[in-house]
Amino acid sequence: AQKVTQAQTEISVVEKEDVTLDCVYETRDTTYYLFWYKQPPSGELVFLIRRNSFDEQNEISGRYSWNFQKSTSSFNFTITASQVVDSAVYFCALSEATGGGSQGNLIFGKGTKLSVKP
Amino acid sequence: KAGVTQTPRYLIKTRGQQVTLSCSPISGHRSVSWYQQTPGQGLQFLFEYFSETQRNKGNFPGRFSGRQFSNSRSEMNVSTLELGDSALYLCASTLGGRNTEAFFGQGTRLTVV
Repeated sequence: AQKVTQAQTEISVVEKEDVTLDCVYETRDTTYYLFWYKQPPSGELVFLIRRNSFDEQNEISGRYSWNFQKSTSSFNFTITASQVVDSAVYFCALSEATGGGSQGNLIFGKGTKLSVKP
Repeated sequence: KAGVTQTPRYLIKTRGQQVTLSCSPISGHRSVSWYQQTPGQGLQFLFEYFSETQRNKGNFPGRFSGRQFSNSRSEMNVSTLELGDSALYLCASTLGGRNTEAFFGQGTRLTVV
């Protein structure tokens, strides 16, 4: 069965620290898509990144980077030099090809609440 | 361009009543999905509509239903409300393909008393 596990419920760091949010997934599909979303207090989910199962290249976008490892079924997210504005709940999600592979049918982890203190 | 609009933002209903939530997707988006977010269960997929047809459905009872109109606007309905239906209901819209980004609305906070 498909599942996404975010073992860290809450993380608190001081501004400028680096922080890594863990995500482990389970799927029987060979084709699938992984996502990270950010949910600020306003409630809407903000898309951060999408990765398909055939693309294990790590990605860096500014202070954000993602490490996708199929061997360990992990898709971890690192924020470098964290800022107070990074405080939010972060969700990892999975979409399977058999479910259409679209972002319309996402299986979410329980989320990690990140608090960045000044 | 305008984002995903969900109305109303907040709603209080009594057990046994029914409720209808509305979602207007981004112009040009043909897929609308609904999710329920609760502290205990997290974010759970309800259903997805594409071009007025339900394309996927999550594991929710039949009290939860939805529909999509020709202009891609979507509504979800919950009948015979239970206390456990209290949640944030999020709507997401996409163009509809596999590699298209989903944009979420701010949600409707439903409280059942």
